[in-house]
Amino acid sequence: EVLLVESGGGIVQPGGSLRLSCAASGFTFSSYRMHWVRQAPGKGLVWVSRINGDGSSTNYADSVKGRFTISRDNAKNTLYLQMNSLRAEDTAVYYCARKSGAGLFDIWGQGTMVTVAS
Amino acid sequence: QSVLTQLPSASGTPGQRVTISCSGSRSSIGSNTVDWYQQLPGTAPKLLIFGNNQRPSGVPDRFSGSKSGTSASLAISGLQSEDEADYYCAAWDDSLNGVVFGGGTKLTVL
Repeated sequence: EVLLVESGGGIVQPGGSLRLSCAASGFTFSSYRMHWVRQAPGKGLVWVSRINGDGSSTNYADSVKGRFTISRDNAKNTLYLQMNSLRAEDTAVYYCARKSGAGLFDIWGQGTMVTVAS
Repeated sequence: QSVLTQLPSASGTPGQRVTISCSGSRSSIGSNTVDWYQQLPGTAPKLLIFGNNQRPSGVPDRFSGSKSGTSASLAISGLQSEDEADYYCAAWDDSLNGVVFGGGTKLTVL
């Protein structure tokens, strides 16, 4: 079964840091681009970042550029999102998602909640 | 404010046909294919339509997608109560160099 499982969410103070993980199973992880997408409480989906299969190329939304870093460890089948200088507006459920062949995201994790509050 | 524009709500009665629209720009929908996602309450989004009009295996043929110029549409025929969910369109944007989503349309089955 193809599965993505996020972890690492929690409550953090403004200005703090958090690292999210996304464990992949059931497919050849290194063959796929991976993304992070977030959803603030009661709001819509917002794309955060993407990384190619070998980790050599990354893209970020302007709202997180310079603060967040996406990376992957293909030996561990794991995707990461290092989040620094967190702000209240970063509060959201963070989903990792696999890039599908002809579309954008064919597999999504269950999400992990990040709350930035003092 | 989302880059792709969707009406916030739509509704229909069981058995009816409903259409959800998504408007973008030349750099997004005008240059790339559109996906549609269904999000049931409290769950992760699920791929419904990819490549403008392709259904993943397991998605009923009641769901169909189309694209024209810088706009796209999702049609749901034979509406069922379990179709009550939020629906999002998405596309790559060549100018922003990232994925853009619509704000979502909440579908209510009356």
